Amino acid sequence: ELKVEQNPLFLSMQEGKNYTIYCNYSTTSDRLYWYRQDPGKSLESLFVLLSNGAVKQEGRLMASLDTKARLSTLHITAAVHDLSATYFCAVEEETSGSRLTFGEGTQLTVNP
Amino acid sequence: AAGVIQSPRHLIKEKRETATLKCYPISRHDTVYWYQQGPGQDPQFLISFYEKMQSDKGSIPDRFSAQQFSDYHSELNMSSLELGDSALYFCASSRQVAGKETQYFGPGTRLLVL
Repeated sequence: ELKVEQNPLFLSMQEGKNYTIYCNYSTTSDRLYWYRQDPGKSLESLFVLLSNGAVKQEGRLMASLDTKARLSTLHITAAVHDLSATYFCAVEEETSGSRLTFGEGTQLTVNP
Repeated sequence: AAGVIQSPRHLIKEKRETATLKCYPISRHDTVYWYQQGPGQDPQFLISFYEKMQSDKGSIPDRFSAQQFSDYHSELNMSSLELGDSALYFCASSRQVAGKETQYFGPGTRLLVL
């Protein structure tokens, strides 16, 4: 059974600071997603990482994937309050019809 | 382009009642996924359909059933509702192109069982 673990689960940081969220998964997968969710809202797709060594950046967020280490990171640069949300990584199970298995989520709060 | 549409957006039911949630995928998307997200939880996969056939089944209770219709919309039918069924139900859709697909999520249906 595929397990996906994120850490930290809760992150409180000041504006302007940098931090990294980690996502570890337990079985082979070449496809990893990062989603953002605001309270009570839907899941907004941030990044799709399709191969080992993939790196994608959008604004203050950068995601990377190391399939050999089964690790993805979401790096936040110079955080701003608008980034406050819950961030989920999700791994696609190749052998199970492309279902996504989500991590527990990281609740990020950026304080002014 | 229009995104995934779900209806209703909010639903309140009593225990033991039934509920039907609807999902309209993005145009030309042929695969639909259903996920359940409990309060403070991560989304859990329920079931998926590709070209109107069930393609995968997750932790979906026997009280629930789903199908995908010829126009690719999908319905999740929930019977004998329990308090624990209160959750946010997401539908996602994707298009199977060369095996690389991004799942786009709808706004969700918030179900409250009293």
